[in-house]
This record gives sequence, C-alpha cells and structure tokens, in this order.
Amino acid sequence: DIQMTQSPSTLSAVVGDRVTITCRASHSIDTWLAWHQQKPGKAPKVLISEASRLRSGVSSRFSGGGSGTEFTLTISNLQPDDFATYYCQQYKTFSTSFGQGTKLE
Amino acid sequence: EVQLLESGGGLIQPGGSLRLSCAVSGATITSSVMSWVRQPPGRGLEWVSSISGTGTRTYYADSVKGRLTISKDGSKSTLFLHMDRLRADDTAVYYCGKGTAASTLITAWGQGTLVTVSS
Repeated sequence: DIQMTQSPSTLSAVVGDRVTITCRASHSIDTWLAWHQQKPGKAPKVLISEASRLRSGVSSRFSGGGSGTEFTLTISNLQPDDFATYYCQQYKTFSTSFGQGTKLE
Repeated sequence: EVQLLESGGGLIQPGGSLRLSCAVSGATITSSVMSWVRQPPGRGLEWVSSISGTGTRTYYADSVKGRLTISKDGSKSTLFLHMDRLRADDTAVYYCGKGTAASTLITAWGQGTLVTVSS
C-alpha cells in the first residue's frame, strides 16, 4: 500500500498570506495526486488533480506541483473562505489513500 | 451537474449489519469507478472500498475486508455498501465518491451519512 504523509498538520496564517502544504508518498505515484478541501461539517471538494491541474471553477490562487514522491499545494493571497482542512489523495492504485490532513487556521 | 446522495446510516449495535446506498444523478455509474470513503469523528479521510465501472473488480481496505461489501445497480444508478459484523471503530461519516473511467480520483462527493456503532 502507498502511504501519504502531509506536513504540517496545522498551519497558522492570516488573510493575504501565501502558504504551502507538502504531501509525500511512500512510493512513486508519478503525478497521480489530487488535493481536496474540506470545511467543517461539509463534504470534501476536489481542487486539483494530476498534481497540478486546476479543477473547473477553482480559484487560480490555488496551485499544485511535484511528481514522484513529493508534492505541494500553494495558496496565494489567502482569503477568509480558504481556512479549511486540506487532504492529498494518491490514485495511482485502486487502493487509493489520503494524507492525514492539514488544517489551515 | 453530478450529484450523489447517501442514505441508510444510523445507530447500530456492535455485531450488527447495515446497508448504505448512494443515489447518483448526472452521471453513468457503469462508466465510472465508484468509492466509499469514511471519516471517523474528528479525524481524517480513510478509503474504504472501490468498484470498477463494470462492477467486476472490487477493492477493500484491510480494516474492512471480509466484513464490508461494495456493489452497484447500474439500472438504478445506485452504489451500495453492505456492512456486516460492525465494530465501534466503524463509527464514521461515510461518503460515496465518483471516480473517473479508470481511476479512483474522486471528482464528486456525496454529503455523507453517519454510522454510529454503539450499544
């Protein structure tokens, strides 16, 4: 199984900041990586797939990068609506897996 | 627009059984990998199970293998999760997710249904 590890677990920031979250895979997953955003009491929402492809309707302030085993999610010019928990997901295998989450507060 | 709506959650005693359903509209589930993902209270997302578009291949997390069974009815656009021998650590919000034709990338999520296993 492929293990996904995110850092940091919690990230403190203020409106207008630029922040970066890192996700590491235990084995190479090429660019089969997605990022999801989840707000309290709500279902997750996909932001980015294939490591860097922005999904339809997602703000261009979100960007993703990386390949192999190391990936990043960067959010520029933080807005109040961005404070949420972010999860990476590898989908190289049918036994998909998620990182433990990064809470942006 | 793709919409997924889960149902069937509730309070169940340890050792009991439950069947979750996920009604899908706006997409053909026979053309998509479909998955169940759960989230225990206050914790992160945990993949549970996936099923191929044709329904011929199924995949399970080790923690649920032999107790949970994924299936789907293409004619009703509905995904199911049959849960047997439930344990306290199965307590979670269960989400269904729509994948792509060939991967478990979740492109659309349901709103979730809460399963509580407790005596």
